[in-house]
Amino acid sequence: QKEVEQNSGPLSVPEGAIASLNCTYSDRGSQSFFWYRQYSGKSPELIMSIYSNGDKEDGRFTAQLNKASQYVSLLIRDSQPSDSATYLCAVNRGGYSTLTFGKGTMLLVSP
Amino acid sequence: DADVTQTPRNRITKTGKRIMLECSQTKGHDRMYWYRQDPGLGLRLIYYSFDVKDINKGEISDGYSVSRQAQAKFSLSLESAIPNQTALYFCATEGQNYEQYFGPGTRLTVT
Repeated sequence: QKEVEQNSGPLSVPEGAIASLNCTYSDRGSQSFFWYRQYSGKSPELIMSIYSNGDKEDGRFTAQLNKASQYVSLLIRDSQPSDSATYLCAVNRGGYSTLTFGKGTMLLVSP
Repeated sequence: DADVTQTPRNRITKTGKRIMLECSQTKGHDRMYWYRQDPGLGLRLIYYSFDVKDINKGEISDGYSVSRQAQAKFSLSLESAIPNQTALYFCATEGQNYEQYFGPGTRLTVT
């Protein structure tokens, strides 16, 4: 059973702080890793993808991957109230496998 | 125009009725997916299709059926709707790097 684990939160941070979201996965064969943002009642929106160990930065977002520890994280710098949402981690081993989602971490950014 | 569209966006139906949810995409992706989302349960895969001739059951396919009419169209049917099928339904397409793009969702209520 492939599993993706996330702390459900809520994770509360003040505006301007760094938010750190974490995810662990059970399938060592996983090759592709994604972070989605989902506002309440809306669809998930892809914000980051990462495929190799290390860091990947895109604007205020940094994804970090450590395959040996089966751990992927998302850092949000200069957090804004508009970042308040649920963040879903998803992993895939590729080929004919399907994407496995975590249940998400709720982030609350207070002004 | 949105790359992935779903119709209807909201639907209220009665127990026992047959209902079809439709999904269209202009991204040119071969792979398409149907998910449902319930509070606290995360995204759960109902059916998926890797190309027009391929249909696969997901983890919760009972009570649902699908049709892949063309590369761009993937429909989900509830043969005889029941109240516990009340949920938010999402269609998604998958790109060549396994990243998924979601439609806006259909909020279905079965009374």
